[in-house]
This record gives sequence, structure tokens and C-alpha cells, in this order.
Amino acid sequence: QQPVQSPQAVILREGEDAVINCSSSKALYSVHWYRQKHGEAPVFLMILLKGGEQKGHEKISASFNEKKQQSSLYLTASQLSYSGTYFCGTSAFGNEKLTFGTGTRLTIIP
Amino acid sequence: DTEVTQTPKHLVMGMTNKKSLKCEQHMGHRAMYWYKQKAKKPPELMFVYSYEKLSINESVPSRFSPECPNSSLLNLHLHALQPEDSALYLCASSQDTGLTYNEQFFGPGTRLTVL
Repeated sequence: QQPVQSPQAVILREGEDAVINCSSSKALYSVHWYRQKHGEAPVFLMILLKGGEQKGHEKISASFNEKKQQSSLYLTASQLSYSGTYFCGTSAFGNEKLTFGTGTRLTIIP
Repeated sequence: DTEVTQTPKHLVMGMTNKKSLKCEQHMGHRAMYWYKQKAKKPPELMFVYSYEKLSINESVPSRFSPECPNSSLLNLHLHALQPEDSALYLCASSQDTGLTYNEQFFGPGTRLTVL
């Protein structure tokens, strides 16, 4: 079953913060985050593993709560280049298959 | 080289045509994937190849036929497609098939239109 992301879409001004959530009805072992700009390939952002870890990547970070089967992506002081559609992808342990979430369209305006 | 390349970039075909999509990577990755993506939707997995062997077929209709001639190449053969098969077809690769730990690298995709 497909993970559900919220919000579906959000518009922010440059410099504002955003949180994107990903919820699964299945037990998770890892969560991937990807960003896809219009007409381009999805680009990998980060992987989070079971254990409730939090990862950071400049102004983009994420958390993973395996008890709640949820992950959140945090974008701070957003830049114009952050615009795109964000997908979470979930997998079970040792799984060859990544199931992508419903997607969140983020638009950053000047 | 951390790139996955796909050809052609665009393809228009009739329902009776036979065509092929090509994907190539030179990162030494042993897992390769085909995804189908409709507009404003997430990528949907079609096939997974692990060490050049088909390991997952997500109940894809037989009019789509994948092939992995070697560890760097992945093809998708198309025959007798339907208009609803029009979509962006993405190829991806990863170091290994354990997606718990391995990121996927995506190609730019082939935009397919079936008339």
C-alpha cells in the first residue's frame, strides 16, 4: 500500500520553513526521500534507517519514527531551488522494492 | 561517472509498432529498475533486475518485455501498446538490491506517447 504524504501541495516564500510528512500503514525498515523537478528525474536526498534516526543535509533534514511508521522532511530557510515534488519511498528489511508515497508539491516564490 | 542515461528522450508510436527503450549505467551497480510515471503521480515499479536476472515483475502486461543484456544495460521492449501506456518511463540503478541501505540513481526518462 502506498505511503500517504501531507500536505499534498504547499506554497512558501523564500526563507520560510516547510515540513513534509510521510505515513505508512506497514512496518518500515527504511525511508528514502527524493525530489523531482518538473520534467526531470527524481534526485536522491537521504535514507533513514529504523532506529528513529535523524539526518541532516545542509538545510534539509529528516526524522524517522518507526513506532508511528512516519517520517518527516524538514526544509529550513527555503530557497528557490527547493521547488519541486518531494516523494518519500519506503522499504521493508532487505527488500528490493521501494514504494513511493503520494508526493508533495512544493513551490517557493521570491 | 554517476549518471544513468536513457534513450530516446521522446518516443511516439502507434499501437501496432514495436520499439525499445534503452538504459545504461557505468557505476558498477548490480540492480536496475524500470518505473512508469504518469503526470502528477509517483513512480510505479515495473521490473527489478538483480545481477542481470529478473527478480521482480509487478504484474506488468506482456506487451512490456524487459531485457538485461549485461550489467550496464537495461532494455524495455514495447509491442502493441495502448494509449493508456503513455507515460514517462524511468530507469534507475542501485549498488545492490537491498534498498534498505542503497539509494537509487534515476535516469532522465523517456517520454512515451502511444497514438
